[in-house]
Amino acid sequence: GDSVTQMEGPVTLSEEAFLTINCTYTATGYPSLFWYVQYPGEGLQLLLKATKADDKGSNKGFEATYRKETTSFHLEKGSVQVSDSAVYFCALSDRVKTSYDKVIFGPGTSLSVIP
Amino acid sequence: GAGVSQSPSNKVTEKGKDVELRCDPISGHTALYWYRQSLGQGLEFLIYFQGNSAPDKSGLPSDRFSAERTGGSVSTLTIQRTQQEDSAVYLCASSLLSNEQFFGPGTRLTVL
Repeated sequence: GDSVTQMEGPVTLSEEAFLTINCTYTATGYPSLFWYVQYPGEGLQLLLKATKADDKGSNKGFEATYRKETTSFHLEKGSVQVSDSAVYFCALSDRVKTSYDKVIFGPGTSLSVIP
Repeated sequence: GAGVSQSPSNKVTEKGKDVELRCDPISGHTALYWYRQSLGQGLEFLIYFQGNSAPDKSGLPSDRFSAERTGGSVSTLTIQRTQQEDSAVYLCASSLLSNEQFFGPGTRLTVL
C-alpha cells in the first residue's frame, strides 16, 4: 500500500542554517504531495504542495520539488529562523483513475532552531 | 462556517464513561478524516469518510471506537467505556476529494 517515510528527528539547527528534511513515498497511482506544519500549541496547516512530477511547491521560504524518478519530496529552506521551530509532516494523496484514496501522513519531523 | 470546527475543545471524563466528539467540516467538502495525536507523537489515522462511499475504518484501535457522518456533513466520533490510554487530542480534517486537508483545532480528551 501507499506509504510516506521521513527522516528521523528531532533536528536542531542554528539560526540561518540550511534545512533539509527528507521525504520519500510509495504510491500506486498519481499522488499529490504535501508538507504540513504544526507550530507549538497550534493545529496542522498546509505549508506547500505539488500535484505532479517536477512541480515545485513553495511558501514562507520553504521549497519542495516533486521528484518522480526518486519518489521524493524533500523540504528545504536556505536560512531557518527561530520561528520555524515546529513539527513538519510529509503527506501524499493518491489517485488511481477517478478513485481518490485517503491522505497518508509521514511520522513527522520535529525541528528546533536555536538563536 | 469558514473553517473546520470541533466541539468540545476540551473534555475531561472518568474511566468507563462514553464520550462523543463532534466535527463540523467545511461546507461542500466530500472527505472527512478523524485522527488522534498523543503528546509529542505523530498523527494516528482513525477513520475516513469520502462522499457516499463506505467509510474506511481501518484505523480504529478497538470496537469501543465508532464514527458516523450524517447527511454527508457533520461527523461524531464516539468512544465507549473510555480508558486512560484514550487520552489524546482528537483532530478532524476535511477536504474536497483528496486535496488539501483543512484541520480543525482538535478536542483534547483527558480520561481520569
